[in-house]
Amino acid sequence: GQQLNQSPQSMFIQEGEDVSMNCTSSSIFNTWLWYKQDPGEGPVLLIALYKAGELTSNGRLTAQFGITRKDSFLNISASIPSDVGIYFCAGQLFGATNKLIFGTGTLLAVQP
Amino acid sequence: KAGVTQTPRYLIKTRGQQVTLSCSPISGHRSVSWYQQTPGQGLQFLFEYFSETQRNKGNFPGRFSGRQFSNSRSEMNVSTLELGDSALYLCASSFRDGSYNSPLHFGNGTRLTVT
Repeated sequence: GQQLNQSPQSMFIQEGEDVSMNCTSSSIFNTWLWYKQDPGEGPVLLIALYKAGELTSNGRLTAQFGITRKDSFLNISASIPSDVGIYFCAGQLFGATNKLIFGTGTLLAVQP
Repeated sequence: KAGVTQTPRYLIKTRGQQVTLSCSPISGHRSVSWYQQTPGQGLQFLFEYFSETQRNKGNFPGRFSGRQFSNSRSEMNVSTLELGDSALYLCASSFRDGSYNSPLHFGNGTRLTVT
């Protein structure tokens, strides 16, 4: 099945550091979403982006919808231990409603 | 407000058997989608239901089927199970009203193991 290119694949950082991850696609998306998944749980929505160029924040998280509509970025500032988990981007094609295409995921480990 | 509820949380089945998974969406959400998550393929879309009708279908064989009831609850069925069907099956719901569709909210999944 199709997956979006997400990088980096994993990150091991110290508490307090900033984190950046991104997703790229060959397709143009109508919507970009970012989710976080903890072990044994389902993905939890972090940020939704609806317009090209849009920059949206949710606490220490900031995400951007790329101008070309083919990429998106997620930044986490001043990381804390509870930020540990797998982060997924997801793109929604025009007219595809809830048929999301997910990224390959970024595993984030934060050392106190 | 209760989240998306999936039952059971864990299932162990034998090759050739069939299985039914259940999902109760967030109250007020009438759109339900199902995803399969495996280490190799990641999160893959199975199908989407809205108003008891399948609206979209992913690239899975016909052994995978689903339905939605009038109370928006949904079930998915996998027949003639194969080892490769072992996965975390995630249900997600969203609020739809006309052209507006809220982002998907996921349940904690059903972990299916096929032996």
